[in-house]
Amino acid sequence: GESVGLHLPTLSVQEGDNSIINCAYSNSASDYFIWYKQESGKGPQFIIDIRSNMDKRQGQRVTVLLNKTVKHLSLQIAATQPGDSAVYFCAENTWNKFYFGSGTKLNVKP
Amino acid sequence: GAVVSQHPSRVICKSGTSVKIECRSLDFQATTMFWYRQFPKQSLMLMATSNEGSKATYEQGVEKDKFLINHASLTLSTLTVTSAHPEDSSFYICSARRAGGQTEAFFGQGTRLTVV
Repeated sequence: GESVGLHLPTLSVQEGDNSIINCAYSNSASDYFIWYKQESGKGPQFIIDIRSNMDKRQGQRVTVLLNKTVKHLSLQIAATQPGDSAVYFCAENTWNKFYFGSGTKLNVKP
Repeated sequence: GAVVSQHPSRVICKSGTSVKIECRSLDFQATTMFWYRQFPKQSLMLMATSNEGSKATYEQGVEKDKFLINHASLTLSTLTVTSAHPEDSSFYICSARRAGGQTEAFFGQGTRLTVV
């Protein structure tokens, strides 16, 4: 259930476009997942969560999709704004501990 | 959302000294607190999990005598980096969650530790 952090991949999108950020998680026993946003020099900020008995959950401008068969999560951001620029991490809850994925840097071009 | 306060936000210390970082849940009782370490442009690596009133559980490869964790109350956990070395320089982040398995973890703002 540990994440191994390497260099962060970057996703560049135009303001107003939709963004899709992907995450592969490691443990099939994970039962709860959260997407976090992290701005430089700050702690992670909650975006949206999903339980393992669901495959889709929608929030305001964000949607999380869960595919347990291939252990994959995605975060969709509609009408991406410059304020969405940050690093995005998925986190999996495994045996009551949170492990983080490797992260994606989202760069929104005005 | 719930608030987790971490202090200090930045600290510089000399090699060989110890540094204590505090993590407080301000408006909820945190039965579980987590400590993470983050290197530049990398993900958060879980160091240890602490439950109030019991010993912390450390992840593989994390030295428990180096990183002392105390979770003495439902609102406070501390991480002490003992005999710090330059390679301990990093961003340390705590998080806290309420009782229950499928609940959100709230994060502090992080502590930037620089060992000189």
